[in-house]
Amino acid sequence: EAGVVQSPRYKIIEKKQPVAFWCNPISGHNTLYWYLQNLGQGPELLIRYENEEAVDDSQLPKDRFSAERLKGVDSTLKIQPAELGDSAVYLCASSSRYNEQFFGPGTRLTVL
Amino acid sequence: QQQVKQSPQSLIVQKGGISIINCAYENTAFDYFPWYQQFPGKGPALLIAIRPDVSEKKEGRFTISFNKSAKQFSLHIMDSQPGDSATYFCAAKGNFGNEKLTFGTGTRLTIIP
Repeated sequence: EAGVVQSPRYKIIEKKQPVAFWCNPISGHNTLYWYLQNLGQGPELLIRYENEEAVDDSQLPKDRFSAERLKGVDSTLKIQPAELGDSAVYLCASSSRYNEQFFGPGTRLTVL
Repeated sequence: QQQVKQSPQSLIVQKGGISIINCAYENTAFDYFPWYQQFPGKGPALLIAIRPDVSEKKEGRFTISFNKSAKQFSLHIMDSQPGDSATYFCAAKGNFGNEKLTFGTGTRLTIIP
């Protein structure tokens, strides 16, 4: 069974530029999560989707961050414009409802 | 507000020894407590998990001890091996309908020969 796929794995951009991350969850998993992991810290939830619906986006900085999960499968997380403090690893995870979350390898973002 | 406190931040254990990582939580609504293992460049992977209706769960060399009254839980790695060198995160989650995982700050474990 294929795991959670994320791309790109690494991204380096100048501040104020836009950036997008893509996630393909495990087949059949209705729940998709985006997490932010700062260096030396545990992951922090940004947004959770149940199928197409964002059911928890309370931690998503909506002034610059946006996410979508069209058709309830793949998801994209966007930052526009990026700031220096956005440098981190962005993790995607998926689960079938109420079950174990499986994480992807993450996208390491560096904002210069 | 940090709801899950984890210690130590780093830990060095000799091969064959016991590694112990501790976590404490504040929210009494938490009812699922997993431990995740993360290698460099990889996402966290579930290692073992416990619910508060039991005080201990063992899977191979990994054991979770849970103290509900103290709101504490710990991970014990018996016969620690160099391959166990990784960062370990404890986490906690509420009951059905509240799927948010709250993670601790992580423990970098190094097993030396």
